[in-house]
Amino acid sequence: EVQLLESGGALVQPGGSLRLSCAASGFTFSSYAMSWVRQTPGKGLEWVSGISNSGASTNYADSVKGRFTISRDSSKNTLYLQMDRLGVEDTAVYYCAKHRVISYYYGIDVWGQGTTVTVSS
Amino acid sequence: DIQLTQSPSFLSASVGDRVTITCRASQGISSYLAWYQQKPGKAPKLLIYAASTLQSGVPSRFSGSESGTEFTLTVSSLHPEDFATYYCQQLNSYPLTFGGGTKVEIK
Repeated sequence: EVQLLESGGALVQPGGSLRLSCAASGFTFSSYAMSWVRQTPGKGLEWVSGISNSGASTNYADSVKGRFTISRDSSKNTLYLQMDRLGVEDTAVYYCAKHRVISYYYGIDVWGQGTTVTVSS
Repeated sequence: DIQLTQSPSFLSASVGDRVTITCRASQGISSYLAWYQQKPGKAPKLLIYAASTLQSGVPSRFSGSESGTEFTLTVSSLHPEDFATYYCQQLNSYPLTFGGGTKVEIK
C-alpha cells in the first residue's frame, strides 16, 4: 500500500525552527517528485515547496522562500521540510504529497494524513 | 505567479443535480490543471489531472474540460458522498498554486 506518514509537527514560538519528516512506503520513492502543501484551519490549500525526484531541483512559495528548505533522502525513503524563522502565519496542517509521475505536471495522487504546526507565544 | 480564480466559492445543490465549477487561470497553463475533492478532516483526493483525465478509481460522473484559460469540473449527477470542497491546482509552473476552493453543500 502506498503511504506517506508525516511527523514533526509541534507548538513552537515565533522565530523558532522545526523540521518535518515524511516517511514514504509502497512505491519507488526516488522515481517521483514530491511536495509539501499546507492548510490553515478553515481555509484553503497552499502549495509550500516541491522537489524533483533526484533532489537536484527545489522550489518554494514566495511566502516561505529563504526560510524553509525541502530535501529528501532516498536511502531512507524520507522527505523533509526544515522550517526556520517561523511566524504565526505559518500555523497550519502540513501535508506531504507525492506527484503522479516523475515530473510535477500531472497532479498529486497520494497525500499524507497531515501534521499540525502551531506557531504561538 | 499564476493566479487561479475559482467560482463559485459556495454552491448549494441537491442529490441528482448537475454541478459545474469553474477555475480561471491568470495566464496560459497548457492543460496542466488538476482538480481535488476534500472532505472535512481529510486530505485532498485527486479527481482529474491534465485538465480532463479521470484519475483511476474516480467515478465517471466527474469530468473536466478546458477552453483557453478557463477550466471546468462537472459532476453530472450529485451523489450524497460528493458534498465536499473542491480545489483546482495549476501545475504548469512553479510556484504551483491552488484556487480558493468551492464548497458544495446540500440544499
